[in-house]
Amino acid sequence: AQTVTQSQPEMSVQEAETVTLSCTYDTSESNYYLFWYKQPPSRQMILVIRQEAYKQQNATENRFSVNFQKAAKSFSLKISDSQLGDTAMYFCAFMRVTGANSKLTFGKGITLSVRP
Amino acid sequence: DTGVSQNPRHKITKRGQNVTFRCDPISEHNRLYWYRQTLGQGPEFLTYFQNEAQLEKSRLLSDRFSAERPKGSFSTLEIQRTEQGDSAMYLCASSLTGVTEAFFGQGTRLTVV
Repeated sequence: AQTVTQSQPEMSVQEAETVTLSCTYDTSESNYYLFWYKQPPSRQMILVIRQEAYKQQNATENRFSVNFQKAAKSFSLKISDSQLGDTAMYFCAFMRVTGANSKLTFGKGITLSVRP
Repeated sequence: DTGVSQNPRHKITKRGQNVTFRCDPISEHNRLYWYRQTLGQGPEFLTYFQNEAQLEKSRLLSDRFSAERPKGSFSTLEIQRTEQGDSAMYLCASSLTGVTEAFFGQGTRLTVV
């Protein structure tokens, strides 16, 4: 079974600053996907960024980038130039590649507040 | 198509009553998932459909829970004899085979009093 751990319950950052959200996971799989999902106060979860485990290059999407350390089973999210709209809960999630079920295993989430 | 739609958005029910939630996925998506999210926790997988076939159920899904997806389109999640511990946000997500991104609905917030 896979587990995803987000040990920081909440963080706060000043607008325009950079913040890093931490995530660790445990799995015996060799190939998998990792995700960061954002859940704004309206509660609809949206995908922020995705990383394929077999790719060494860290994924980047505009102001969002990850630091994927496969050996350490670490997957942190860096948000650059933080904006007020980044205020949300952020969930780290794991997905197996094998098998028909593409279910996600989520961490507990972290509440990020961006201060004006 | 504006995304995954869930109804109702909020439901308050008395303990012991039955409730049913509906999820309308993105129209061309063949995979549909139900998750449960309690306060301060991440979503937990409940069950998965590929088209109309229910292929996996979590051990979290007790006998009081049943889910259907007739004709492989919308899905319903029914909870019989609700208990206070069933109070949670129930999220539905859909995706396409071969595509890793799942699209989530806004959820149904259930409160059992």
